[in-house]
Amino acid sequence: NAGVMQNPRHLVRRRGQEARLRCSPVKGHSHVYWYRQLPEEGLKFMVYLQKENIIDESGMPKERFSAEFPKEGPSILRIQQVVRGDSAAYFCASSPLGTSGTDTQYFGPGTRLTVL
Amino acid sequence: SQQGEEDPQALSIQEGENATMNCSYKTSINNLQWYRQNSGRGLVHLILIRSNEREKHSGRLRVTLDTSKKSSSLLITASRAADTASYFCATEGTGRRALTFGSGTRLQVQP
Repeated sequence: NAGVMQNPRHLVRRRGQEARLRCSPVKGHSHVYWYRQLPEEGLKFMVYLQKENIIDESGMPKERFSAEFPKEGPSILRIQQVVRGDSAAYFCASSPLGTSGTDTQYFGPGTRLTVL
Repeated sequence: SQQGEEDPQALSIQEGENATMNCSYKTSINNLQWYRQNSGRGLVHLILIRSNEREKHSGRLRVTLDTSKKSSSLLITASRAADTASYFCATEGTGRRALTFGSGTRLQVQP
């Protein structure tokens, strides 16, 4: 029973390049969340998606960042023209129901992005 | 400022002692969750307590929630060296699915 899978686990990019982070939710889960964690800090919410829909992107920077969760395949978080400040750990979580109150989010191992 | 602030920021205890971490938050919540993170790793879900619950147990973990004070505590009894990790509280606000995390408590259990 595989948990949330993220790849790559580590990603190094030079300033100006694009970073693509992938997340495969727990089998059967149709709700995906992306969070960012800076060193020595807690996680910050970025975006919440269901299949083919963005539900809440209130934590996503307006420029350079985009996310999708297609009908088939993993969820993708894309960061265009990366800058040093994008260096962080990016975590994906999934949940089965999307209903508030008792729905637990299960986290993947994260992708650690380093921008040189 | 950020919802979900943990206290203390760091805690060092001896194996066998109890560890208590506190969390405060600011707005109405559906539930509050505690997660554990080992250094450089992902998050492990520990326990979820709903807004209409006051106390919950899971093994050596005991969580309390006081919605009138907007605070929660996590108690780990009979701590072990393997409990060394960072512990985060996260709140799910009413009307939202996004979790808001605190900055965490770094727990060090000395063998």
